[in-house]
Amino acid sequence: GAGVSQSPSNKVTEKGKDVELRCDPISGHTALYWYRQSLGQGLEFLIYFQGNSAPDKSGLPSDRFSAERTGGSVSTLTIQRTQQEDSAVYLCASSSAFSPQHFGDGTRLSIL
Amino acid sequence: QKEVEQNSGPLSVPEGAIASLNCTYSDRGSQSFFWYRQYSGKSPELIMFIYSNGDKEDGRFTAQLNKASQYVSLLIRDSQPSDSATYLCAVTHNNNDMRFGAGTRLTVKP
Repeated sequence: GAGVSQSPSNKVTEKGKDVELRCDPISGHTALYWYRQSLGQGLEFLIYFQGNSAPDKSGLPSDRFSAERTGGSVSTLTIQRTQQEDSAVYLCASSSAFSPQHFGDGTRLSIL
Repeated sequence: QKEVEQNSGPLSVPEGAIASLNCTYSDRGSQSFFWYRQYSGKSPELIMFIYSNGDKEDGRFTAQLNKASQYVSLLIRDSQPSDSATYLCAVTHNNNDMRFGAGTRLTVKP
C-alpha cells in the first residue's frame, strides 16, 4: 500500500528478551520518526531520521533502545533486555518537505 | 516549559455545539501547525494544517492561527458523537521537525 507500514502489529514477549520493530515509510519520504504511546497518554518522541543526517536520538529513554535506518528507507527500532515499562504502542511516522507526518498503525508491545 | 501545550481535557460538548480546542507553542520561529485526530486504539490522522495567520476552513473544521500570541486553535462546528477522540496539536520549525502536544480528549454527547 501507499501508507506507512509497521510490523508486527502486535508483539508479546518475556521480560529480558530483545525485540525488533520494523517501519517501512511512505516511498519518497525523507524523514522518519519513532514515537511511543502508553495507554491514555500522549506521544513520546523517541528518534528522528532525516535523509543522510545523523539521527536525533534525544528522545530515546535508555541505552537499551536503538534504531537504524538502512538505505534511507526501512527503519528498525530495537529494544534490548525488555522491561515491563516498555509495554506501549510504538508508532512510526514519515514525512517529506511537501507532506506532513503520516503514521503507521503501530506495534502494540506487551512485556510479560 | 513544554514546546507545545494543550489542555488535556476531557472537553465535553453536546451534539450540535461548537467544540473549541486550543494549543500554545513556545518556539516563536515555528512555521507550520497541524491538528491530528486520534481515535482510541488507533494511530493519529491528519485533519487540518495551517501556515498563515488567520482562519482556515475545511468543512466543519476551522483552524485559527495567531503567531503573535503563539496560539493555534481548532473549532469543530455541529459536533457529532463521531468527533469524540483525542485531538493532537503539532508544530514544526521546519517541515521535518514536528513536535506534538499531549492532546485534548473531546467527548461529544448525543
